[in-house]
Amino acid sequence: GQNIDQPTEMTATEGAIVQINCTYQTSGFNGLFWYQQHAGEAPTFLSYNVLDGLEEKGRFSSFLSRSKGYSYLLLKELQMKDSASYLCAVSDSNYQLIWGAGTKLIIKP
Amino acid sequence: ETGVTQTPRHLVMGMTNKKSLKCEQHLGHNAMYWYKQSAKKPLELMFVYNFKEQTENNSVPSRFSPECPNSSHLFLHLHTLQPEDSALYLCASSQVERETNVDEQFFGPGTRLTVL
Repeated sequence: GQNIDQPTEMTATEGAIVQINCTYQTSGFNGLFWYQQHAGEAPTFLSYNVLDGLEEKGRFSSFLSRSKGYSYLLLKELQMKDSASYLCAVSDSNYQLIWGAGTKLIIKP
Repeated sequence: ETGVTQTPRHLVMGMTNKKSLKCEQHLGHNAMYWYKQSAKKPLELMFVYNFKEQTENNSVPSRFSPECPNSSHLFLHLHTLQPEDSALYLCASSQVERETNVDEQFFGPGTRLTVL
């Protein structure tokens, strides 16, 4: 079966760095997405990786290793507004998105 | 503003009621999706419409009935629902290029549905 694993919840301190991991087992791979979802709001796109390596976008970076079936989202200089759920999703061989359950990130002052 | 709107934002209904959820996208996309989001569970893809044609129906019970009259509007008709159907229902859209779609999906704010 297809499976996306990510931690259920993480806690970090304002100003610090946090890494949210995602491992996947899917039938085919056509890219990996990270979305941010604040409570009661729509998920919003953060990043897309299809090749191995690190993609940097401001305070957020996303890494992919296709051979390991692994990705992480790195958040630097954490702000209180970064408190949200972070969803990992993989596009499979049929270009359908397979979603993880999300990681709830709690930022403490 | 994501360009995808959903109404109503909240809905409470009894098991014998009939209601409809509405989604509208203002992004000129050609694909639209219905997802179910339950607490601490992955997003569940329910239906996909590409170019107004339903291309995916992930074993969704018949008490959920989608309708896509044009590429900008998507409905989810509900009837005789069960309490376990209570969840957040999200609509999304994207631009599909032929058979591939690795473009991001844009989500609406969702309808919080409670079935009593």
